[in-house]
Amino acid sequence: NAGVMQNPRHLVRRRGQEARLRCSPMKGHSHVYWYRQLPEEGLKFMVYLQKENIIDESGMPKERFSAEFPKEGPSILRIQQVVRGDSAAYFCASSPSAVTGGEKLFFGSGTQLSVL
Amino acid sequence: TQLLEQSPQFLSIQEGENLTVYCNSSSVFSSLQWYRQEPGEGPVLLVTVVTGGEVKKLKRLTFQFGDARKDSSLHITAAQPGDTGLYLCAGPKGGKLIFGQGTELSVKP
Repeated sequence: NAGVMQNPRHLVRRRGQEARLRCSPMKGHSHVYWYRQLPEEGLKFMVYLQKENIIDESGMPKERFSAEFPKEGPSILRIQQVVRGDSAAYFCASSPSAVTGGEKLFFGSGTQLSVL
Repeated sequence: TQLLEQSPQFLSIQEGENLTVYCNSSSVFSSLQWYRQEPGEGPVLLVTVVTGGEVKKLKRLTFQFGDARKDSSLHITAAQPGDTGLYLCAGPKGGKLIFGQGTELSVKP
């Protein structure tokens, strides 16, 4: 059973470019969560998706950021016109059901985005 | 403001010492989880506590959920260098998992 797969592991972009981060959840998982982490900090929730639907995007900036989880293929976190402040580690997690009490999240190894 | 407050934020100890990490909130949680994260990797679940007052042991790690389900603690006995990492508590709110800011633990041989 493959775990949560994220790619690329490292992504370097210049200011103004677009960054696309991909996440393939574990087999059988239809719930995907994206988190952002700065050095020596915890994980900040960004967006929660369930196949083809955005359930909660309250943690995602309204400008420049978007996320999707199509019927076929991986979930994509897209950052347009990146700025230096977007540099961070972005983690994807998946679960077979919504997190309400006790459910475990399975995390990928993250994508480290560096904006030059 | 952080919904889950962890303390201390940084802890550096010698091998063999004991330590306790705290996770506190003003909100009630249906459950709390503890994750451990190593550099360059995603967090990995250590334990889930569900019942107020519950105590769970995982080898040298002891986890406790407060009676009022607003706080939790992680106690490590006789810490080893392999325990080094970022320890995160997390709880479900509004259908998503909310994380504390983490405790960075360094155990020196």
